[in-house]
Amino acid sequence: AQKVTQAQTEISVVEKEDVTLDCVYETRDTTYYLFWYKQPPSGELVFLIRRNSFDEQNEISGRYSWNFQKSTSSFNFTITASQVVDSAVYFCALPYNFNKFYFGSGTKLNVKP
Amino acid sequence: EAGVAQSPRYKIIEKRQSVAFWCNPISGHATLYWYQQILGQGPKLLIQFQNNGVVDDSQLPKDRFSAERLKGVDSTLKIQPAKLEDSAVYLCASSSLRTRSSYNEQFFGPGTRLTVL
Repeated sequence: AQKVTQAQTEISVVEKEDVTLDCVYETRDTTYYLFWYKQPPSGELVFLIRRNSFDEQNEISGRYSWNFQKSTSSFNFTITASQVVDSAVYFCALPYNFNKFYFGSGTKLNVKP
Repeated sequence: EAGVAQSPRYKIIEKRQSVAFWCNPISGHATLYWYQQILGQGPKLLIQFQNNGVVDDSQLPKDRFSAERLKGVDSTLKIQPAKLEDSAVYLCASSSLRTRSSYNEQFFGPGTRLTVL
């Protein structure tokens, strides 16, 4: 069965601090994908990244970076030099069967000026 | 490219009343999903359509919820009668057909926030 755990319910940081959001997953699939989405206060989930289990290289996109480690079943997300606009709820998701998504419970990030 | 459209954005009803939500997916997307997101939780899949057929409705409370996707484009989700615990945001998402080797991102609409009093 698929499972995604985001143990951090809420994190508060001051602008320009770095912050890491944790995601731990469980799957019996040998090949799988993982996604991160951002949900700003407006409510619409915004796609951030998709990674597959073949590629464990870290991904960097501007201030965002992702660390994928199969050995610990983790796919963590780091925001460098956080900004107020980064305030949102962030979800990790694990797809299964015909592109259905299993979402974690989310981590609410508060970035204070 | 237009995104996923949903209406209404907000709805307040009394318990035991009926309500319907509408979704228009991204043009050309074969797969459409309805999710329920209760406050403080992640979205939970209710039903998945591929074109105008149901792929999975195992999590849909069929005694009160129904959904249809006529002509494989727009979709409607209905609740009849509503209960207090149905208060949530109802999200619609769409994606292109999954290939054998990949999972595709889902594109989400702004959601409908339902309050049942």
